[in-house]
Amino acid sequence: ELKVEQNPLFLSMQEGKNYTIYCNYSTTSDRLYWYRQDPGKSLESLFVLLSNGAVKQEGRLMASLDTKARLSTLHITAAVHDLSATYFCASNGRGSQGNLIFGKGTKLSVKP
Amino acid sequence: DGGITQSPKYLFRKEGQNVTLSCEQNLNHDAMYWYRQDPGQGLRLIYYSQIVNDFQKGDIAEGYSVSREKKESFPLTVTSAQKNPTAFYLCASAGSIYSYEQYFGPGTRLTVT
Repeated sequence: ELKVEQNPLFLSMQEGKNYTIYCNYSTTSDRLYWYRQDPGKSLESLFVLLSNGAVKQEGRLMASLDTKARLSTLHITAAVHDLSATYFCASNGRGSQGNLIFGKGTKLSVKP
Repeated sequence: DGGITQSPKYLFRKEGQNVTLSCEQNLNHDAMYWYRQDPGQGLRLIYYSQIVNDFQKGDIAEGYSVSREKKESFPLTVTSAQKNPTAFYLCASAGSIYSYEQYFGPGTRLTVT
């Protein structure tokens, strides 16, 4: 059974600082997703990582995937207040017919 | 505009009543999904459908029912058998179950008292 664990679950950062959110998953997986959720809102897709060594960047966010370690990271560079949100990783597990298993989310708060 | 709509945005019901949440998509997607989110938690899969007139239970299907009579519609009924129905419900769709992307609707917040 696929399990997805994120850490930390809460992260308070100062603007301008760098930090990394970690996402571990327990079984072989085809894909790894990162989503952003603002309070009371739906999920916004950030990245889909499909292969070992995949790295994707959008603005101050960079996601990577190491399938051998079953680990994905979301790196935040020079954080700004607008990045404050909850970030979820999710994986489908091989052969799971597209069903996503989500981590509990990392609530990021960026303070001036 | 293509997308997924869920209605209503907020829904209040008394305990013991069944309630149906709407999910409609005009993306011509085959696959549709229902997730539940509790405070401070990730999403958990309730039901999914790969194609019209077919659906499968997810991890937490007990107390819920669905139908898929039309490609664009996948309503979720929260029955009185669901012990803790108060939650945020999100519908999603994908081109197929093999698609890379799932697109999420805006969600319905259900409160049962």
